[in-house]
Amino acid sequence: GEDVEQSLFLSVREGDSSVINCTYTDSSSTYLYWYKQEPGAGLQLLTYIFSNMDMKQDQRLTVLLNKKDKHLSLRIADTQTGDSAIYFCAESIIGTASKLTFGTGTRLQVTL
Amino acid sequence: DTGVSQNPRHKITKRGQNVTFRCDPISEHNRLYWYRQTLGQGPEFLTYFQNEAQLEKSRLLSDRFSAERPKGSFSTLEIQRTEQGDSAMYLCASSFGLAGSGNTGELFFGEGSRLTVL
Repeated sequence: GEDVEQSLFLSVREGDSSVINCTYTDSSSTYLYWYKQEPGAGLQLLTYIFSNMDMKQDQRLTVLLNKKDKHLSLRIADTQTGDSAIYFCAESIIGTASKLTFGTGTRLQVTL
Repeated sequence: DTGVSQNPRHKITKRGQNVTFRCDPISEHNRLYWYRQTLGQGPEFLTYFQNEAQLEKSRLLSDRFSAERPKGSFSTLEIQRTEQGDSAMYLCASSFGLAGSGNTGELFFGEGSRLTVL
């Protein structure tokens, strides 16, 4: 079955690194994604990783995938106040052209 | 291109009334999706169109819900006889995909239509 889990809340100081974690259960995942949602706004795709990759880096963002443990993480370097938002992990399942299964989201609070 | 557009942004209605939401996807996108997001939760998949064909519907989509995409461009989501449990944010997303291909995850979401049922 499909189940994506995330911790609910993370607080970091501006300038520190943030690490947001996610676990998923479906081993047939093809792509895993990180979306950002700011208050009153839609979801913005930040990055995604194909399930045969271990790591992907894009500027301040680093995605790590441990397929054995079904664990995905998003590291944000030099976290800024503008990074405060809810971050959703999501997966798509092999053979489906449509459905993303989202986690419950992690609220990131960046303090000064 | 202005991105995915949804309206109305907020709808307040009384229980038992019908409501309709509209989604205008990015013009060159052939795939269109509806998701529902309740407070404190991640979005849940409702239904998906490839061009004008509705290819998949979630079990969450009860008989009171109907979605259409008549010309393969904009889509409407209608909820009949609304219930308080229908209160949620209804998100539309679009993407471009080849027939039979998987999803690379590049869904572009609108800002959502928030439904409040009193």
